[in-house]
Amino acid sequence: EDQVTQSPEALRLQEGESSSLNCSYTVSGLRGLFWYRQDPGKGPEFLFTLYSAGEEKEKERLKATLTKKESFLHITAPKPEDSATYLCAVPGTDSNYQLIWGAGTKLIIKP
Amino acid sequence: DGGITQSPKYLFRKEGQNVTLSCEQNLNHDAMYWYRQDPGQGLRLIYYSQIVNDFQKGDIAEGYSVSREKKESFPLTVTSAQKNPTAFYLCASRDPPADTQYFGPGTRLTVL
Repeated sequence: EDQVTQSPEALRLQEGESSSLNCSYTVSGLRGLFWYRQDPGKGPEFLFTLYSAGEEKEKERLKATLTKKESFLHITAPKPEDSATYLCAVPGTDSNYQLIWGAGTKLIIKP
Repeated sequence: DGGITQSPKYLFRKEGQNVTLSCEQNLNHDAMYWYRQDPGQGLRLIYYSQIVNDFQKGDIAEGYSVSREKKESFPLTVTSAQKNPTAFYLCASRDPPADTQYFGPGTRLTVL
């Protein structure tokens, strides 16, 4: 069964304290892994797409990496404005049209 | 500016009422989606449409209906058959080359 699991559910960090969020997946023949950021009461905002193991993408303080079983979203020296829920998703085994979503990691950065 | 708009931002429904949520996009995308989001859960697919005049049920289609008469528009009706409709509803469209989905700002539906 296709599944995406994100951990931890919530993460509280001090401003400047680096850490990583995890997204593990079980699908056959990965055809992309997507990371999104969601602020409270708003729609998800696209961040990155990763396609193959070893690939990395960066945007400001965020860096996403991909292995054959999981992806990490590394956040370096975070600021309070990085507080949000981070979602990951992968296309289902049988369809490019449907994404399988993780439940998200709620990141809180305290000043 | 290209994007996806959803209206209204907040919607209140009485028991037994049908309500329709609007979703419009000017990104020229063929595929559009409706998701439901509940606290602590991932996005759950209600319906999706790959092309005008065609749509498919997602994982939780019971109590919902859609239409796709125009490429730009994909309205969702929450019927009285949906027993627990209070949730945050998100509309998305898909960019074919990269399979990326882009989202609207969402509609929060509350049953009174």
